[in-house]
Amino acid sequence: GAVVSQHPSRVICKSGTSVKIECRSLDFQATTMFWYRQFPKQSLMLMATSNEGSKATYEQGVEKDKFLINHASLTLSTLTVTSAHPEDSSFYICSARGVGILTEAFFGQGTRLTVV
Amino acid sequence: QKEVEQNSGPLSVPEGAIASLNCTYSDRGSQSFFWYRQYSGKSPELIMFIYSNGDKEDGRFTAQLNKASQYVSLLIRDSQPSDSATYLCAVVLSGGYQKVTFGIGTKLQVIP
Repeated sequence: GAVVSQHPSRVICKSGTSVKIECRSLDFQATTMFWYRQFPKQSLMLMATSNEGSKATYEQGVEKDKFLINHASLTLSTLTVTSAHPEDSSFYICSARGVGILTEAFFGQGTRLTVV
Repeated sequence: QKEVEQNSGPLSVPEGAIASLNCTYSDRGSQSFFWYRQYSGKSPELIMFIYSNGDKEDGRFTAQLNKASQYVSLLIRDSQPSDSATYLCAVVLSGGYQKVTFGIGTKLQVIP
């Protein structure tokens, strides 16, 4: 299957700082990328959908000024958690899809964020 | 009503048995459906992708789709202890952004 690379896999940051997570599609053009958050023993919760070259669409309850998403190219999307707080500690996962309705969505490896 | 519904389980089956995982969805316009496997602390891994009514087989896995009933299932034949994981059903919703929405996942335990 297609490869989606997410970096870093783990990050620990101090409260109040910002953290950037990168998601790259390595062997296909990802017209759409999704960012999810998963708390322990819970399902994946969609945070936002980003299409290359346009502003991200955020799910209800997700602060767009806190979770900055950039999808500047067909192979790269970034999520920046600004002014991180301990409650932002979670597993963040990106997913990428190519063109067309009948295409798979592939996941990156996930980023374990711990805010101390 | 949730967009994608799954029984959270756990579903326990003996080694070698068939595990049957079920999922229903609310968006009648949905056309693409996925099954992912997620081990604890890891990212989901794509197992099956189906978009036509009927069955799709890949090795020990068979996905079944019934759009009229808005139902998709995953059968795992000859279940192995290594199949123990959470299985996530995902649906591409109709509409401009084609969001991929997940069910809560069914935890499968294969007992040796």
